[in-house]
Amino acid sequence: DGGITQSPKYLFRKEGQNVTLSCEQNLNHDAMYWYRQDPGQGLRLIYYSQIVNDFQKGDIAEGYSVSREKKESFPLTVTSAQKNPTAFYLCASIAGAGNEQFFGPGTRLTVL
Amino acid sequence: KNEVEQSPQNLTAQEGEFITINCSYSVGISALHWLQQHPGGGIVSLFMLSSGKKKHGRLIATINIQEKHSSLHITASHPRDSAVYICAVGSTGNQFYFGTGTSLTVIP
Repeated sequence: DGGITQSPKYLFRKEGQNVTLSCEQNLNHDAMYWYRQDPGQGLRLIYYSQIVNDFQKGDIAEGYSVSREKKESFPLTVTSAQKNPTAFYLCASIAGAGNEQFFGPGTRLTVL
Repeated sequence: KNEVEQSPQNLTAQEGEFITINCSYSVGISALHWLQQHPGGGIVSLFMLSSGKKKHGRLIATINIQEKHSSLHITASHPRDSAVYICAVGSTGNQFYFGTGTSLTVIP
């Protein structure tokens, strides 16, 4: 079955540590996205990638970094520079413009 | 600025009631999406539409492009419909804008 996997589902880290969230898709989609969701707010775009080896900052990219070395994979690193990293993180992908967006199950990150 | 506005924010209904959730947007779109998010957090796409009306089981989605407005209707609501419903619009540039969601609780 095609889909998007994110791991882990729950992640705990100490303040000041970098952490990398995994996102893998086997849908052969070109475009991939990382969103952050906080209570009472809509999903906010962190980074997106339209194609391998290329990515653009979204609305809240500060304190985050990404890579897109393979079409299937779009990992997100939450760095110690991110002031308030505790949130629910969602990865998504689409086949192309005007197509349905598919979402992963999400990773809930808690920084202690 | 909010490109996508949803109403109501919270909705409680009795089982069997007809439910309507509204969405207005202010950007040019390639398509509008209705998403469902259950308490576990995962999001599934219910509808993607760029004109007219779509129906899937007890769910109906409509869009009026001229008025930049969409509605999601649930007929004969059931407790398993309890979830957060999110309106999202996809721009021609492959970016998406999301509403803050409508939290629906259906009471038996």
